[in-house]
Formats: sequence, structure tokens, C-alpha cells
Amino acid sequence: AQTVTQSQPEMSVQEAETVTLSCTYDTSENNYYLFWYKQPPSRQMILVIRQEAYKQQNATENRFSVNFQKAAKSFSLKISDSQLGDTAMYFCAPPETGNQFYFGTGTSLTVIP
Amino acid sequence: GAVVSQHPSRVICKSGTSVKIECRSLDFQATTMFWYRQFPKKSLMLMATSNEGSKATYEQGVEKDKFLINHASLTLSTLTVTSAHPEDSSFYICSARNIFSYEQYFGPGTRLTVT
Repeated sequence: AQTVTQSQPEMSVQEAETVTLSCTYDTSENNYYLFWYKQPPSRQMILVIRQEAYKQQNATENRFSVNFQKAAKSFSLKISDSQLGDTAMYFCAPPETGNQFYFGTGTSLTVIP
Repeated sequence: GAVVSQHPSRVICKSGTSVKIECRSLDFQATTMFWYRQFPKKSLMLMATSNEGSKATYEQGVEKDKFLINHASLTLSTLTVTSAHPEDSSFYICSARNIFSYEQYFGPGTRLTVT
């Protein structure tokens, strides 16, 4: 069975600052995808960023970037220049196993004005 | 990005009745859809994986006779909560998977309240 760990239940960051959310996972696969999703107060799940395991380069989407360490099975999300709209729950989605998706427990991020 | 709709967004029903929730992928064909349940301030709990044209795969502990899933077409999956009880009250979310990118596109969720 696969596992995913988000060790930070809650975090806060000052507006315009940088914050990093951690995620570790376990998998026996070699080629896979990893995702970070955010869930704002509206509860709509939104894809933040995707990383393909076979790519050594870390994925970047505007202010969002990942630090992907395949050997360590670590997939952290860095948010730069934090904005109030970044306040949300952030979920790490580990490699899909057997056509099933399991999310981490989530990190509640609050951006402080 | 792709759009997934979910209907209804909110529903209140009496104990013992059944409720159907629809999940539609509006601009792509989804061979696989997922149904999740989410409790307040908790993560999404996978209930079942719905594959078009075949039986759904249920997670351990999820009663398949209580949570009926039908995926009759490439754009529609339904979840029917049968003989609902107050403990079934929750937020239910569906998603559809892009077979090329493996991304999941989520519906806006359904708030079910059983009285």
C-alpha cells in the first residue's frame, strides 16, 4: 500500500513572503506523476502543479515550484511572493497505484496580510 | 482547464430516502472517475473508482450496496446514496481523470444533509 505524509497540518506566512510545504511518499513505481492541489474555502479542488518523475527538472508554475527528490521520495511545494488568495488547504497527491488516488492529510496555509 | 460539473450542489433529504449525485465531464471523455467523501477540515477520502462500462471498484469499508455508482457513458458518473442516514451527511466530491496527463479535474462538490 502506498503512503503519503504531509507533516505540517497548519502553516502561516506573511504576505509577499515564501513558504514551503512538505510531502513525502512511498512507491515502488519508477515512472509516475505527482501533483499538488489546493482547496480554497469554496472547496473547489484546483490543480496547482504537476511533476513527472522521469524529469529531473523541477516543475514551475509562476509563483509555485516544487523540489522533487526522487531518491528521497520527497515532493515539496514552494510558494513565492505569497498572496492572500493562496490561503487554502494544500493536498499532495502521491503516485497513483492501481488506478486509485490517495491524498495526503493536507496542510492548511494561511497568508497573513 | 477541463470542466467537471456536479449536481446538485446541495441537497437535504429525509432519513431512509435515496439521493442521486451526478458528475459530468463537460469537455473531455473520462474513462475513469473518482468519488470522494470529505469531512470538515479533513482530507479527501477515496470511496470508489468508477470505470466506464464496468463495475466500480470500492475502497475497503465502503458499502457498495449503499453507495451505488454507475458510469454508463464517458461523460457521466452517478453516485446514489441509498436509504440515507444522518451519518451519511457529508461533502461528496467527484473527479474525472485525463488519460493522457493523469491530472484529475474536480467537480465543485455536493453537500448532503440527511435529517
